[in-house]
Amino acid sequence: NAGVTQTPKFQVLKTGQSMTLQCAQDMNHNSMYWYRQDPGMGLRLIYYSASEGTTDKGEVPNGYNVSRLNKREFSLRLESAAPSQTSVYFCASSESGGASYGYTFGSGTRLTVV
Amino acid sequence: SQQGEEDPQALSIQEGENATMNCSYKTSINNLQWYRQNSGRGLVHLILIRSNEREKHSGRLRVTLDTSKKSSSLLITASRAADTASYFCATDSYSSASKIIFGSGTRLSIRP
Repeated sequence: NAGVTQTPKFQVLKTGQSMTLQCAQDMNHNSMYWYRQDPGMGLRLIYYSASEGTTDKGEVPNGYNVSRLNKREFSLRLESAAPSQTSVYFCASSESGGASYGYTFGSGTRLTVV
Repeated sequence: SQQGEEDPQALSIQEGENATMNCSYKTSINNLQWYRQNSGRGLVHLILIRSNEREKHSGRLRVTLDTSKKSSSLLITASRAADTASYFCATDSYSSASKIIFGSGTRLSIRP
């Protein structure tokens, strides 16, 4: 089925390790986003890419980097993981930026940093 | 900082009753969206309402928007057990139209 695919679904890291979360969409959407969700809370925007070739910081970008590899793929990298980065990470895409179109979300990556 | 805040934080109702959730936001917007999240899953887009619209319907969902009060409500009529989920509002803003910010959500439980 068409949608947003995130890998991996689960990951445990030791403090200081690095990893890349992968996200791919097959809906030909222009805009892609990375959010984190902490227990009992809403989503906070980490980084977004309004269109291929552009990336911008969201609310909580510290400790993360992103790459918009092509129109389909948007990866999130943790260079030196910290326990505060334990969270569920969601990738989303939309036809264009802002709230003019609904966002399609992936199923999430559950990351634990010990 | 959060643009939208939902109220109540948690709501428990009997199956068949109507559920109403509210969202307040801080700055002028272009559009407002509502999403549902089932436990352990990603968010699903429910409905979008534009700043020049006052009410919108989709099946058992009714959304209202009052830009003068900077608030929106989501009404789910004739609730079902499958409606048990968290519901989030999300808004853009005039100053940052290229992204949306989510509220902290309302946890809705439907009792059989």
